[in-house]
Amino acid sequence: NAGVTQTPKFRVLKTGQSMTLLCAQDMNHEYMYWYRQDPGMGLRLIHYSVGEGTTAKGEVPDGYNVSRLKKQNFLLGLESAAPSQTSVYFCASSYHGFGGIPGELFFGEGSRLTVL
Amino acid sequence: ILNVEQSPQSLHVQEGDSTNFTCSFPSSNFYALHWYRWETAKSPEALFVMTLNGDEKKKGRISATLNTKEGYSYLYIKGSQPEDSATYLCASLRSYDKVIFGPGTSLSVIP
Repeated sequence: NAGVTQTPKFRVLKTGQSMTLLCAQDMNHEYMYWYRQDPGMGLRLIHYSVGEGTTAKGEVPDGYNVSRLKKQNFLLGLESAAPSQTSVYFCASSYHGFGGIPGELFFGEGSRLTVL
Repeated sequence: ILNVEQSPQSLHVQEGDSTNFTCSFPSSNFYALHWYRWETAKSPEALFVMTLNGDEKKKGRISATLNTKEGYSYLYIKGSQPEDSATYLCASLRSYDKVIFGPGTSLSVIP
């Protein structure tokens, strides 16, 4: 059982280039999240989705776009990468828990992105 | 409190010591509070999901309490072991579906 899979695991970009991170989950989860991890700042929410075809902004959405065309996939795009987007990106998914709110999050292994 | 806060930022304890951390979160519009354990080079893993005021959860030597009226949760580790060394994250559910994390408490257990 793969759980949450992120691709690619590592990527180096030049300023201004674009790229897409793919998150795939095989647990039939409704909720999916993209976070970035920076030293001393924990995990900051970029965008999230509550179901197929839906997306919503998190704490730090600027410079990123997302899409959830299929329930199992959540894509994070950088249209014009900047050095400030150098970070480790984590995807997570969750099910409908108590009262319909998300249960615990299941995380992917992370994707390390460096923008030069 | 507007954001999720955690204290202390880091902690060093001797093997066998008991320890506790604090998570503070906005008490208005509370839905749930999560605790996660994050070991170096791994991904965060859930410890507890807490939803009711007064909730107490326990998993082995780790336990947690929740006070939603005043907006705080405590995580306790009894008899710390070197394998407990990790960063402990709490997360608050905002707007019903938005999961916001605190900055974490880094625990080092010295053998």
